[in-house]
Amino acid sequence: DSGVTQTPKHLITATGQRVTLRCSPRSGDLSVYWYQQSLDQGLQFLIHYYNGEERAKGNILERFSAQQFPDLHSELNLSSLELGDSALYFCASSVGRVNSGNTIYFGEGSWLTVV
Amino acid sequence: GESVGLHLPTLSVQEGDNSIINCAYSNSASDYFIWYKQESGKGPQFIIDIRSNMDKRQGQRVTVLLNKTVKHLSLQIAATQPGDSAVYFCAENIASGTYKYIFGTGTRLKVLA
Repeated sequence: DSGVTQTPKHLITATGQRVTLRCSPRSGDLSVYWYQQSLDQGLQFLIHYYNGEERAKGNILERFSAQQFPDLHSELNLSSLELGDSALYFCASSVGRVNSGNTIYFGEGSWLTVV
Repeated sequence: GESVGLHLPTLSVQEGDNSIINCAYSNSASDYFIWYKQESGKGPQFIIDIRSNMDKRQGQRVTVLLNKTVKHLSLQIAATQPGDSAVYFCAENIASGTYKYIFGTGTRLKVLA
């Protein structure tokens, strides 16, 4: 158990809908990362938050947004869902001091199926 | 882009033998590297890390080697066990001031009994 908690574990929704994925980082971790993993792609970096502020953006679509709250949990919002958004979405966390690399620990992921 | 395909190379190893999984990283400015193991349907699990000021680091049954000259990373697993069967990813921490982790192409390790 990495200490990173993600909910829901599985989600099935229709095209055009909007979903919110939730992540609680490990205790004491200030950084939260979101990754997408689909069958025809590897682990794609989406976005990184540190202590409530966005720090880096990857290949995140405009239909997707994220935020990190004062209690450090994070939410990834996916809207106007398309079939191609079906994937496993991972949250990861780290202590996240800005000036050094830190080990990131992954949650078990949220399986999103868009039908 | 930063995505990598999932036509994964596969390494098949006899149980008890040593495994060597290789990874070529992309950015010469990367200063921190991690190896992850991912079992089917689960999140990537941290195995071992190494910073760019080192060329070797050992853990329990695992060793990571870093060759900065050719931007190459390897993971050695001693006495491979059936439980080692998984997909292994290397990740580089790009020290560009906006720290983010880029994952390499995974390798599927199959342990043969």
